[in-house]
Amino acid sequence: IAGITQAPTSQILAAGRRMTLRCTQDMRHNAMYWYRQDLGLGLRLIHYSNTAGTTGKGEVPDGYSVSRANTDDFPLTLASAVPSQTSVYFCASSDGQGVNEQFFGPGTRLTVL
Amino acid sequence: DQQVKQNSPSLSVQEGRISILNCDYTNSMFDYFLWYKKYPAEGPTFLISISSIKDKNEDGRFTVFLNKSAKHLSLHIVPSQPGDSAVYFCAARGKNSGYSTLTFGKGTMLLVSP
Repeated sequence: IAGITQAPTSQILAAGRRMTLRCTQDMRHNAMYWYRQDLGLGLRLIHYSNTAGTTGKGEVPDGYSVSRANTDDFPLTLASAVPSQTSVYFCASSDGQGVNEQFFGPGTRLTVL
Repeated sequence: DQQVKQNSPSLSVQEGRISILNCDYTNSMFDYFLWYKKYPAEGPTFLISISSIKDKNEDGRFTVFLNKSAKHLSLHIVPSQPGDSAVYFCAARGKNSGYSTLTFGKGTMLLVSP
């Protein structure tokens, strides 16, 4: 059972470069989410998608874009990375039913120099 | 403005004793509250939830209490075990255009010593 996979596990990136973080789930969940976790700030929602073909902005969307071409994949793109985007990024998904708890991937640690 | 607050960054407890993690919220429209547990280098995992119409939910060693009038919830772990050492996030579910999203607190790091 894979659940949610994220790639890469970690990455060091030069400022100004473009980077796409990949996220794939095999649970056929309708909703997917991207969070960043920073020390002392907890988990902050960047973008979300309630169903394939739709996306929405979270709390901290600036500098990031997402797409949801199909149910399983939800890539997060940094068009021109800046040092303040150094963080641990978590992808999550939920089925939209009941409590709608979210299931998280293992995270991507990104360092922008 | 923080809608979900965990005011204690850390908590230390001895094995076998009770751990109490607290969470406050400001938005009365939240309809579910969830607790997540996170180990280093792993993603958060769902632990337990409570509906806003309940005041208690229990699952084994874990109990969540909700005081809606005070906009306060707490997670009790009894008895605490060293394997419970992790960061605990409180999250609240709200509606956004008919779909639900979670707002997380900053987390409390729990250390259970043998």
